Amino acid sequence: NAGVMQNPRHLVRRRGQEARLRCSPMKGHSHVYWYRQLPEEGLKFMVYLQKENIIDESGMPKERFSAEFPKEGPSILRIQQVVRGDSAAYFCASSPETFKHTHYGYTFGSGTRLTVV
Amino acid sequence: DAKTTQPPSMDCAEGRAANLPCNHSTISGNEYVYWYRQIHSQGPQYIIHGLKNNETNEMASLIITEDRKSSTLILPHATLRDTAVYYCIVVNNNDMRFGAGTRLTVKP
Repeated sequence: NAGVMQNPRHLVRRRGQEARLRCSPMKGHSHVYWYRQLPEEGLKFMVYLQKENIIDESGMPKERFSAEFPKEGPSILRIQQVVRGDSAAYFCASSPETFKHTHYGYTFGSGTRLTVV
Repeated sequence: DAKTTQPPSMDCAEGRAANLPCNHSTISGNEYVYWYRQIHSQGPQYIIHGLKNNETNEMASLIITEDRKSSTLILPHATLRDTAVYYCIVVNNNDMRFGAGTRLTVKP
């Protein structure tokens, strides 16, 4: 029973390139959440998605960042024209269709460490 | 955006109980208190959650005050592997926002 799978674990990009981060939720989970963690800081919410829908993107930067969760396949967090300030750990979490407090909240992946050089 | 207040850091001796406090004075009646921890750079790990009753599982105990304005996470016998950042989060529906947490250091 695999958990939340994120890949790649480490990603190095040059300034101006694009970064694509993938997240496969736990089996049976249809809600996906992305968080960003800058060095020595806490996790900051970015976006909440259900299949084919963005539910809450209030934490997403207005430019260069986008997210999708297609009907088939993993959720993708895309960062265009990366800059050094995008260097961070990006964590994905998933939850069941109905977030009930009988469940264990969110299940997190191991994260993708993005380094922009 | 976080609705909780935690001390930034705490120390605990190995084998002793670690008591991590959290204030959530603006919590509403249908909001739960969740605790997660993050060991080094790993993904956050669920510990425990509760509404108003005290809760216990194999990892920890959660004590929630009667007025629900604060809670305490108790690790009964802390080990070196419990060194981590501990996050107290107030959750309603699908909204889980993390604060800065408490960095717990367990010392030999």
